[in-house]
Amino acid sequence: GEDVEQSLFLSVREGDSSVINCTYTDSSSTYLYWYKQEPGAGLQLLTYIFSNMDMKQDQRLTVLLNKKDKHLSLRIADTQTGDSAIYFCAGGNSGNTPLVFGKGTRLSVIA
Amino acid sequence: NAGVTQTPKFQVLKTGQSMTLQCAQDMNHEYMSWYRQDPGMGLRLIHYSVGAGITDQGEVPNGYNVSRSTTEDFPLRLLSAAPSQTSVYFCASSYSAGGLGYTFGSGTRLTVV
Repeated sequence: GEDVEQSLFLSVREGDSSVINCTYTDSSSTYLYWYKQEPGAGLQLLTYIFSNMDMKQDQRLTVLLNKKDKHLSLRIADTQTGDSAIYFCAGGNSGNTPLVFGKGTRLSVIA
Repeated sequence: NAGVTQTPKFQVLKTGQSMTLQCAQDMNHEYMSWYRQDPGMGLRLIHYSVGAGITDQGEVPNGYNVSRSTTEDFPLRLLSAAPSQTSVYFCASSYSAGGLGYTFGSGTRLTVV
């Protein structure tokens, strides 16, 4: 089955760019997602990318997908203290197989 | 507001007690699931359901039961609570298991003493 790996921690200075990386094993994953979890809250869908895309940009967020290397990244431009959270990568196919989540990357933004 | 509602938000149980964690959604989602979140372990899938009357086991189902009698509700039952079940529990729903993203509840923080 699918396995999703992420580094556990990332620390950046306010105003810098953050890059959170994720690798996955199932090349048939149709959708790849980034979720954000703020302290004491549930996960919120941040953005997603279809497997037939290489890049998706949404305001300060850029998602890059390298299908050959099964590598997904999330770049946050001009990182703010409000971006401090845990970011989860997840992959899945359409149909009845649940999404598989990585362990999450805790992003700390230093003022 | 539409979404996923979990109750209670906090619960303390004694070892051996039973309880039910409630999850309800009003988005007419067919897919619902339960996860537990533990430090360093990420989200682990406990049970899931792809529609009323259909349930299946996830990665860590032992000690938990579920049923899905309606589209809206997906309760999680702890039969005999153990300290190892101390965790934060999240319910999530979606139109399908594999696509279009999940909507998560705000979680239930359970402590078993």
